[in-house]
This record gives sequence, C-alpha cells and structure tokens, in this order.
Amino acid sequence: QVQLVQSGAEVKKPGASVKVSCKTSGYAFTSYDINWVRQASGQGLEWMGWMNPNSGNTGYAQKFQGRVSMTRNNSINTAYMELSSLRSEDTAVYYCARETPGSPRVDWFDHWGQGTLVTVSS
Amino acid sequence: EIVLTQSPGTLSLSPGERATLSCRASQRLTNNYLAWYQQKPGQAPRLLIYGASSRATGIPDRFSGSGSGTDFTLTISGLEPEDFAVYYCQQYGGSPPTTFGQGTRLEIK
Repeated sequence: QVQLVQSGAEVKKPGASVKVSCKTSGYAFTSYDINWVRQASGQGLEWMGWMNPNSGNTGYAQKFQGRVSMTRNNSINTAYMELSSLRSEDTAVYYCARETPGSPRVDWFDHWGQGTLVTVSS
Repeated sequence: EIVLTQSPGTLSLSPGERATLSCRASQRLTNNYLAWYQQKPGQAPRLLIYGASSRATGIPDRFSGSGSGTDFTLTISGLEPEDFAVYYCQQYGGSPPTTFGQGTRLEIK
C-alpha cells in the first residue's frame, strides 16, 4: 500500500534551517509529484510548493520563494523539504502529499504523510 | 489569487442528519477543479472528493460533491459518528496553483 512516512519532530532556533524528509513506498516514486503543505496549530492548510521526483523540477508558493528548497533522493524514494531563516511564525506541522499524476498543473493530493511538527523558539 | 471561503465556520448536527458544507471561490474554477478533504484531530487530511463530484477510492457514498463555477457543496447524508471532523476545500489549476479554504468544523450537537 502507498505510504509516506515523515521524519520526526524538530525544535529550531530563529534564523536556523530545518530539513524534513518524506520516505515513500508502495508506488513508483518518480511517477508522482510530491507537494508540501503546512498547518499552524488550530489553523488551515497552506500550500508551499511541489517537486517532480523524476526531473527534479520544483515550483514554490511566492510566500516561500528564496527560503524553501525541495529535493529528492530517488535511490531511497525520499523527498525533502528544507526551510531556512526560520521565524516563530514557521512553527507548524509540515505535511508531504502525493499528487495525482497526469497533468502539468498542481492537482489534488491522494496520499499524505503523517506530518512533522517543527517548532521555532529561542 | 483565488480565495476560497467556506461556510459555515462550524456546523452542529446529530448523527443521522444531513450535512451541507459550502465552498465559494472568488473566481470561476476552470473545469470545476475542486477537491474536498476531511481532517480529524492529530491526523493528516484525507481526500474525499476531486473534480467537484468524483469520490476518491474507498470513500463511502454518503459523501457527495456538487457545484460548478464559483459555488460548490459537500453533502454528507446520514452522518456517522466518525464523520465529525474539519472539512477543507481545495482549488487546483488556478493561480496560485492551489489554495485551500479555511475549513468547516462539523461537530456533534
């Protein structure tokens, strides 16, 4: 079965960077884009960007341009999201999500990781 | 930017009742590119509906989606105890590429 398993919770100081991993199994990793979505406590869902594991191409939400990087290691079917220059407002649960394939646009997300809590605090 | 506004913010109903959740887009959605998700506390969102009205794999038929243009509805007929959760709509294919509504909390009355 399709699984996306994320790395564990992180605590970071303001100004630092965090790198969250998303290890996938149960499907052809390079055939489905991976998106990242975050959710602050008690708040809604905020899309951060997408990555195509086959080409390495990425697209980021304007809000995160210059501060986010989405990469992959195809040999271990794992996607990564790194966010730099962290501030307290970045405290949130970060989710990776598999996007249904077959179009050049961002589509709906049919499988999600369990989430990784990133806490930014001095 | 396409903004999605969900209403009501909170909906209080009893098991067995019918729930009607609304999602309104600030611009017409191309090809009705709208999805619905369910999220329970401490869990990741779960895809329910895509393309405004297509049920995702394994989703019970008491969940149905409808609408077009700018107005969309998620209907849950015959609420089960496990249906009480927060529901989000998502537009895709627009600009920015995707955005979510702020959510509707469905609570037990």
